[in-house]
Order: sequence, then structure tokens, then C-alpha cells
Amino acid sequence: SQKIEQNSEALNIQEGKTATLTCNYTNYSPAYLQWYRQDPGRGPVFLLLIRENEKEKRKERLKVTFDTTLKQSLFHITASQPADSATYLCALDASGTYKYIFGTGTRLKVLA
Amino acid sequence: DTAVSQTPKYLVTQMGNDKSIKCEQNLGHDTMYWYKQDSKKFLKIMFSYNNKELIINETVPNRFSPKSPDKAHLNLHINSLELGDSAVYFCASSQDAGVADTQYFGPGTRLTVL
Repeated sequence: SQKIEQNSEALNIQEGKTATLTCNYTNYSPAYLQWYRQDPGRGPVFLLLIRENEKEKRKERLKVTFDTTLKQSLFHITASQPADSATYLCALDASGTYKYIFGTGTRLKVLA
Repeated sequence: DTAVSQTPKYLVTQMGNDKSIKCEQNLGHDTMYWYKQDSKKFLKIMFSYNNKELIINETVPNRFSPKSPDKAHLNLHINSLELGDSAVYFCASSQDAGVADTQYFGPGTRLTVL
């Protein structure tokens, strides 16, 4: 069956460290993968999109990798800050359709 | 300026009632979506419209009926509400229906069915 899995447990890290979140998928062949941030009581906000032929994408302190062999994307936040605390969702396109399938998200807490 | 807005933000109602949620986007996008996020935070697409045409219709009970009067609006009407309909409903929009298009989400409508 098709699955998208993100760390179900919350991730606590110390301020200044690098946070690494994982997104693993099964039985999908996405051409695109996106990462979103969601704060409590708010809608998801787009962060980064990476294409299947891109190994890595960066935006300021954020970095995303996409390994289609491992069927995995990693999301890194360097020099993390308490303001980075949120839930991070990965989403991939269900190939041949117009839709994105979202993972259940990983809750990140950056401790001051 | 709010890019994607939804009303109401909270909706509490009794089982069996009919209710509507409205969504408007001022981004000039061609595509709009409805998502449902359940208590486990799983975000699942329900419907999508591109230029007022339905392009995604997931396995959703036919008690749910979307209506797109124009490109900037996508409303969701729910008949005969059930306890299991309690969730947060998000509207979103994107420039087009392509998978490389970024989706912009509204603030959500928390629906509670008693």
C-alpha cells in the first residue's frame, strides 16, 4: 500500500543545533516533493519544493534533500531557533494526478 | 491583505444539521482545494477546482458538495452532519493545477459536531 511516513514522535533539539526531519514514502514515484510548516491553529505554509532530478535545495537556513532511490527526503534547519518550533509536513505528488499527498508531520520543538 | 480567507473560523453544530464553509482567495489563482485535517493532524485532500471545473474528487461522502461560483471562491456545503465530520477544514489555492505549483492555505475552519 502507499504510505508517507514522518517521525511520529516530537523532536526536541537545543537552540543553535541542526534539526533533521525525515520523510519516507512507499509505493509512490513522485516527481516533486514539498515541505510545509504548520503552526498551531493555522494553515500550512509552503517552505520548499524539490524536483526528482534535484538532489538538494537550499533556502536561507533550510535545506532539503530528495533521494528517489532511498525514497526519502530529509529536511534540515541549521542554527535552529525557538521560533522554528512548529509542525513540519512533507507532501509529494501522486504521479499522474493533480494532487499532493501529505505526511502526518513532525512536531519540532527548539529549546532555548 | 489576507490571501486565502475562510469563514467561519469556528463552527459548532448538532448532528443532522446542514452547514456551509466559505473560502475566498485574492491571489488571482486558477485552482482551489478543500482539505480535511483530522484529530491526528492528517491532512487529506477532498476536492479541487481549476477554473471552476472539478478536477479532484476524492472518496468523500456525497453529503459534501463543493461549489465554485467563480475562480476566487470555493464553498463547501455539508448535509446531515455526523460526529465523524468533526475536523479542521482548510481551503487552499495555487496558481494552476500543476504539481509544481505552491499551495497557499487558509487559516482553517474548526468544525465540531455534537
